[in-house]
Amino acid sequence: GAVVSQHPSWVICKSGTSVKIECRSLDFQATTMFWYRQFPKQSLMLMATSNEGSKATYEQGVEKDKFLINHASLTLSTLTVTSAHPEDSSFYICSAGGGIDTQYFGPGTRLTVL
Amino acid sequence: GQNIDQPTEMTATEGAIVQINCTYQTSGFNGLFWYQQHAGEAPTFLSYNVLDGLEEKGRFSSFLSRSKGYSYLLLKELQMKDSASYLCAVRGAAGNKLTFGGGTRVLVKP
Repeated sequence: GAVVSQHPSWVICKSGTSVKIECRSLDFQATTMFWYRQFPKQSLMLMATSNEGSKATYEQGVEKDKFLINHASLTLSTLTVTSAHPEDSSFYICSAGGGIDTQYFGPGTRLTVL
Repeated sequence: GQNIDQPTEMTATEGAIVQINCTYQTSGFNGLFWYQQHAGEAPTFLSYNVLDGLEEKGRFSSFLSRSKGYSYLLLKELQMKDSASYLCAVRGAAGNKLTFGGGTRVLVKP
């Protein structure tokens, strides 16, 4: 089946620094990828839709200047958390469509901001 | 907008059957997905329904009624490894965007 990878798997950073998370579709091309955030014991919340070659579409309440998304190629989307703060600590998961009837998720990135 | 409801927790015994219900109210509908998620891991795809009826895949089955805005996931012959969260997600009318329910934590006891 289709594989989506994320890097890094986990990251610890100091408050005020920026962190970049990569999402790659390894064996298929994805014009659209999605970024989710998941807090402990909660469900996935869609943050934004990443569109190859154009601007990302952000969900209501998500700050686009804080969560920068770049989808520069058909196999790579990046999420940069700028000026991270402890409340940004979460599990960030990307997904890419494998067809009309499924969507594949990456393994997730656990971000801890000290 | 989308509103998706599912029970928070369920407990069942190994070897038994558990049914997880999901109700949704959406402005558009283009398919319903079920995912399994173990703690600290990403969701894995279980099933997809876009037409009314039952889809069976081994020990897992999923049912959809579009007129009632209702789906269920049926887990048979429960195993300890089935202890996980089960997420119901609806795809709206436009694009491939999924909206997730809160998830149902299933605990399988010996």
